[in-house]
Amino acid sequence: GAVVSQHPSWVICKSGTSVKIECRSLDFQATTMFWYRQFPKQSLMLMATSNEGSKATYEQGVEKDKFLINHASLTLSTLTVTSAHPEDSSFYICSASPGLAAKNIQYFGAGTRLSVL
Amino acid sequence: AQSVTQLGSHVSVSEGALVLLRCNYSSSVPPYLFWYVQYPNQGLQLLLKYTTGATLVKGINGFEAEFKKSETSFHLTKPSAHMSDAAEYFCAVSVYETSGSRLTFGEGTQLTVNP
Repeated sequence: GAVVSQHPSWVICKSGTSVKIECRSLDFQATTMFWYRQFPKQSLMLMATSNEGSKATYEQGVEKDKFLINHASLTLSTLTVTSAHPEDSSFYICSASPGLAAKNIQYFGAGTRLSVL
Repeated sequence: AQSVTQLGSHVSVSEGALVLLRCNYSSSVPPYLFWYVQYPNQGLQLLLKYTTGATLVKGINGFEAEFKKSETSFHLTKPSAHMSDAAEYFCAVSVYETSGSRLTFGEGTQLTVNP
């Protein structure tokens, strides 16, 4: 149980285009979903927290107009990188939490490697 | 605010040897503590967690960790390393929140297992 699916696993795009990454909780309802960014050989950096049906809460320094997050249902959140540039190239990981019932544990997707040319 | 310190960004052991990955945390309220493992180009897999109760917790793949409040530590151990244990390990802390958890990660420890 507690499977989180993230798609795509790898995406290459041209500079200036937008890329959408999906995060789905397959066997539980995720009251909260999280988006992280990870640079090579570094830890995970929380970008934003989203609760179903409400606006995402972005961490300081993360451009909300650049990284659009939608959490339309209890099983799906999307991250759209708008007008991507090479500096947006990174590994993006989502996680989902069933909430209080599971002691606020987060389950992670497999990550998406974004390469912007 | 909570924080996590992982001592040693790189740990190298021989196959069959004891694995010890160190983690110290800081939290003003009782924490939840986690160890995650990450293989190259993959997401994080939960190894084990401490929430409440027994301070020695057992996880997957033979790993265990002990919550020591007096030392603010949550070190990860495995009696005998396997080649397949080579990966990046992250210690994380969260505190109980009604709005949902917020994980704070350590910087990670790269474990190398030598044949």
